[in-house]
Amino acid sequence: GAVVSQHPSWVICKSGTSVKIECRSLDFQATTMFWYRQFPKQSLMLMATSNEGSKATYEQGVEKDKFLINHASLTLSTLTVTSAHPEDSSFYICSAGTVGEETQYFGPGTRLLVL
Amino acid sequence: AQSVSQHNHHVILSEAASLELGCNYSYGGTVNLFWYVQYPGQHLQLLLKYFSGDPLVKGIKGFEAEFIKSKFSFNLRKPSVQWSDTAEYFCAVTPRGADSGGYQKVTFGTGTKLQVIP
Repeated sequence: GAVVSQHPSWVICKSGTSVKIECRSLDFQATTMFWYRQFPKQSLMLMATSNEGSKATYEQGVEKDKFLINHASLTLSTLTVTSAHPEDSSFYICSAGTVGEETQYFGPGTRLLVL
Repeated sequence: AQSVSQHNHHVILSEAASLELGCNYSYGGTVNLFWYVQYPGQHLQLLLKYFSGDPLVKGIKGFEAEFIKSKFSFNLRKPSVQWSDTAEYFCAVTPRGADSGGYQKVTFGTGTKLQVIP
């Protein structure tokens, strides 16, 4: 099946720093990638949708200047949490899909802890 | 906008018991429906999906789900659970067809933690 990887799997950073998370589709070309956030005991909340080569579409309430998304190629999307604060600590999950196939494949997630 | 509700937040069963997890969605148009499973320490995996056709769909590991359009439901079932089924289960929905407007965002339910006792 389709495999999606994320790097890093764990990151601890100081408040005010920026953190970049990578999402890669390993064995297929992903025309669309999605970024989710999962708080403890809650469901996944979609943050943004990105199509290769175009600007990401952010969900309501998600600050696009804080969560920078780049989808430069069909196999790589990055999420940068800028000027991270403790309330940004969460589990960030990406998924990838291909137009015409209405199934998304999920990465293993990245746990971010901001001190 | 679509929404998904899962009424059971935590279910505890003994091995060999039957399982049914409820999922109801709210949306004015046609939808694609999914069940995902997240085993402890692992990422989300697709368990089964319904796009169209036979409303009773079979997935991996003996799971099945039935789409009942009149009830806006897509309940997940398994006749006999095993300890290895201990995981969190998420129901999800995307709009389909004329409502698509491009690739669809997935709306997830809040998840149901299943604990199977040996």
